[in-house]
Amino acid sequence: GENVEQHPSTLSVQEGDSAVIKCTYSDSASNYFPWYKQELGKRPQLIIDIRSNVGEKKDQRIAVTLNKTAKHFSLHITETQPEDSAVYFCAAGQAGTALIFGKGTTLSVSS
Amino acid sequence: DAGVIQSPRHEVTEMGQEVTLRCKPISGHDYLFWYRQTMMRGLELLIYFNNNVPIDDSGMPEDRFSAKMPNASFSTLKIQPSEPRDSAVYFCASSRTGFIYGYTFGSGTRLTVV
Repeated sequence: GENVEQHPSTLSVQEGDSAVIKCTYSDSASNYFPWYKQELGKRPQLIIDIRSNVGEKKDQRIAVTLNKTAKHFSLHITETQPEDSAVYFCAAGQAGTALIFGKGTTLSVSS
Repeated sequence: DAGVIQSPRHEVTEMGQEVTLRCKPISGHDYLFWYRQTMMRGLELLIYFNNNVPIDDSGMPEDRFSAKMPNASFSTLKIQPSEPRDSAVYFCASSRTGFIYGYTFGSGTRLTVV
């Protein structure tokens, strides 16, 4: 089955800096890679996703890149703000199966 | 749309007691997933359903855990008997046509077994 590794487990940056979170997956059949943000005590919420026919996707300050050959994908947050502080989860899967999540990255943005 | 609704939000129970967690998916969503979240293990898939039929229950920890989906608008996750190591946040999520549109998570049930 699918296995997703996520690094780093914690990340501290100064406001305005960039943050990068990386994930690797094991199942070459996976073709959908979403990222979720979870604030303390709340539910995970989808912030961006990418499918295997696309190498990069951007949404304002957030971007995701995918390297299918190497089986890794990354989340990039530019111009970080204190409200970006949260736990971020990557996930991988394919149609007809469930998403498998990484263990999460706790991002702290200090002002 | 009210989103995915879970109940109760918090549950405190004594070891050995039966616990039932409930989930109402978004209308029209044909997939329903149960996940357990702990600090050590992150978000673990327990079981998922498609059109009310269990597809994969290999993540259910042991026979003490069972899940049902009697109709398209309701699912339960039952633990009997409960143990302290079952303490976690249990999330239900639903999706349409697999995860083409991503999951929508419920607010979760925080279970504490003492």
